[in-house]
Amino acid sequence: KQEVTQIPAALSVPEGENLVLNCSFTDSAIYNLQWFRQDPGKGLTSLLLIQSSQREQTSGRLNASLDKSSGRSTLYIAASQPGDSATYLCAVTQGGSEKLVFGKGTKLTVNP
Amino acid sequence: GAGVSQSPSNKVTEKGKDVELRCDPISGHTALYWYRQSLGQGLEFLIYFQGNSAPDKSGLPSDRFSAERTGGSVSTLTIQRTQQEDSAVYLCASSLVWAAYSNQPQHFGDGTRLSIL
Repeated sequence: KQEVTQIPAALSVPEGENLVLNCSFTDSAIYNLQWFRQDPGKGLTSLLLIQSSQREQTSGRLNASLDKSSGRSTLYIAASQPGDSATYLCAVTQGGSEKLVFGKGTKLTVNP
Repeated sequence: GAGVSQSPSNKVTEKGKDVELRCDPISGHTALYWYRQSLGQGLEFLIYFQGNSAPDKSGLPSDRFSAERTGGSVSTLTIQRTQQEDSAVYLCASSLVWAAYSNQPQHFGDGTRLSIL
């Protein structure tokens, strides 16, 4: 059974700092990995999707990497801003399945 | 519409009552997913539709839970004889085609917050 773990559970940083969020998964037979952002009381916004054959994806200040063989992904946020404060969720799609398996998220607070 | 729409946004009901939650996917999206988000369990998959068929119902927690989709569009999730442990946020997502095989992202609605008294 696929399990996804995110460390740390919460992170507080000053504005302007570069930071890394970590995600690990137990079964490397995945189709893809996605990073989502969730604001309080809202649904999930897809940030980046990395296909199993890819090593990284970039969007603006965000860069996500994938090491499928070791079961790890990182989300790098450059020059963090207070507007980046949210919960970040990592999810994988297992081979042979359409469902997303989620980690429990990292709650990020960026202090002005 | 521009995004996935869910209604109601909040629902409070008494234990033992039946509830229906509605999801309108993005127009043209053939795949639709239901998830549940609770404090203790995080986000859990419930059921997936491709068109009007549900190839994967493996996440439905009991036979009190059912879902249907009509016209390849709107979906309803029904919970019968609600229990307090059903209290959670129920999230719906849609994607253009099979999300996994085609590496398409799933687009989420804002959810229905269900509270069972």
